[in-house]
Amino acid sequence: DTGVSQDPRHKITKRGQNVTFRCDPISEHNRLYWYRQTLGQGPEFLTYFQNEAQLEKSRLLSDRFSAERPKGSFSTLEIQRTEQGDSAMYLCASSFRATSGSYEQFFGPGTRLTVL
Amino acid sequence: AQSVTQLGSHVSVSEGALVLLRCNYSSSVPPYLFWYVQYPNQGLQLLLKYTSAATLVKGINGFEAEFKKSETSFHLTKPSAHMSDAAEYFCAVTLSGSARQLTFGSGTQLTVLP
Repeated sequence: DTGVSQDPRHKITKRGQNVTFRCDPISEHNRLYWYRQTLGQGPEFLTYFQNEAQLEKSRLLSDRFSAERPKGSFSTLEIQRTEQGDSAMYLCASSFRATSGSYEQFFGPGTRLTVL
Repeated sequence: AQSVTQLGSHVSVSEGALVLLRCNYSSSVPPYLFWYVQYPNQGLQLLLKYTSAATLVKGINGFEAEFKKSETSFHLTKPSAHMSDAAEYFCAVTLSGSARQLTFGSGTQLTVLP
């Protein structure tokens, strides 16, 4: 168990450019989540997958954002035409169903995006 | 819909003193509740969780929390603070049995004074 990994850890881009982030979940976890965290705030839900199916998207996920999980393993989050307001930490989490019935989410280290 | 309110965005305690971080929740159905800790430039680590079993939940690093339905609270405590406890703490809620998203509070920054 190597934990959830995210790449890159930091990304600096200019406004209007496209960026793509990758998340590799814990191998036996079939659920994968994306969150966005701005400075001084708690993480906010963006979207989640069960296997390769994207089951829910937040209203925060504008049409400039797209997420995929093509083979039910790793996931990518793409932001097109970045804006300064997109600057944030993007967190990925994966989960499994515990014996208690809860779904414990394990978080990666995040990708910090800075849009200049 | 569910929500979480964390009272006190900053809490300072002396090393060895009691830590108390407050969390109140709102949920239309029985919730599952979590406390996470975040160190600078890192992801979130699960401290403990309430999933409708015992109301007093023990977690890692000596932390514990008590679920009080009548007060809609899930406060986090630790009897004796250590310097390494300095971090940001987030309370989160999800619907019981749900695989869906966590709803987080805005966080409490804990400072431990020597």
